[in-house]
Amino acid sequence: SYVLTQPPSVSVASGKTARITCGGNNIGSKSLHWYQQKPGQAPVTVIYYDSDRPSGIPERFSGSNSDNTATLTISRVEAGDEADYYCQVWDSDNYHVVFGGGTKLTVL
Amino acid sequence: QMQLQESGPGLVKPSETLSLTCTVSGGSITRSTYYWGWIRQPPGKGLEWIGSSVSYSGTTYYNPSLKNRVTISVDMSKNEISLKVTSVTASETAVYYCARHLARFGSPATDVWGKGTTVIVSS
Repeated sequence: SYVLTQPPSVSVASGKTARITCGGNNIGSKSLHWYQQKPGQAPVTVIYYDSDRPSGIPERFSGSNSDNTATLTISRVEAGDEADYYCQVWDSDNYHVVFGGGTKLTVL
Repeated sequence: QMQLQESGPGLVKPSETLSLTCTVSGGSITRSTYYWGWIRQPPGKGLEWIGSSVSYSGTTYYNPSLKNRVTISVDMSKNEISLKVTSVTASETAVYYCARHLARFGSPATDVWGKGTTVIVSS
């Protein structure tokens, strides 16, 4: 079945730009979604359909998806962005949802 | 604004059936553009998709790793989604989330999450 690969951790200084990747075979042909999860809380959708932002999500969050890598970019990172981030696609060959293993973002 | 609230026993014995209900408020479950699903997260681990139901077609998709032990049902008259997992084991101790999915281009993306409910499988 389809596999999504994320780095376990990413660190970035406050005010800088964080990039979290999600790899998969020809992932650019699929719709890619990103979720943020802070400790003890339910996930929150930050990007869906590659680059669309739900209402209430800051413009600092953006997404791209091409070839074998999708990227969540967080500009001007703040301490409040520290969280786990998960990518997700629909495996249309097997009719199921696939999540990446998650990336812990640390703000230095 | 739509809200999802999970409810059910917080403790289930091994080999028994886990049953949870998700009550939807702030909107009707009959909107044809949405799927409705369940996602779980074991302690300290990542998100695992359990399954999703297309309310307007009656089609339900399940995680194959759960090997026919799972049933998701949508009750439009009650505005509820239910989850049953039979023959549970301790490894299924997790926070269980109810979710609403957008379904553009046939690709579900969760846009509304419940707060989650913790289920412990233990004797």
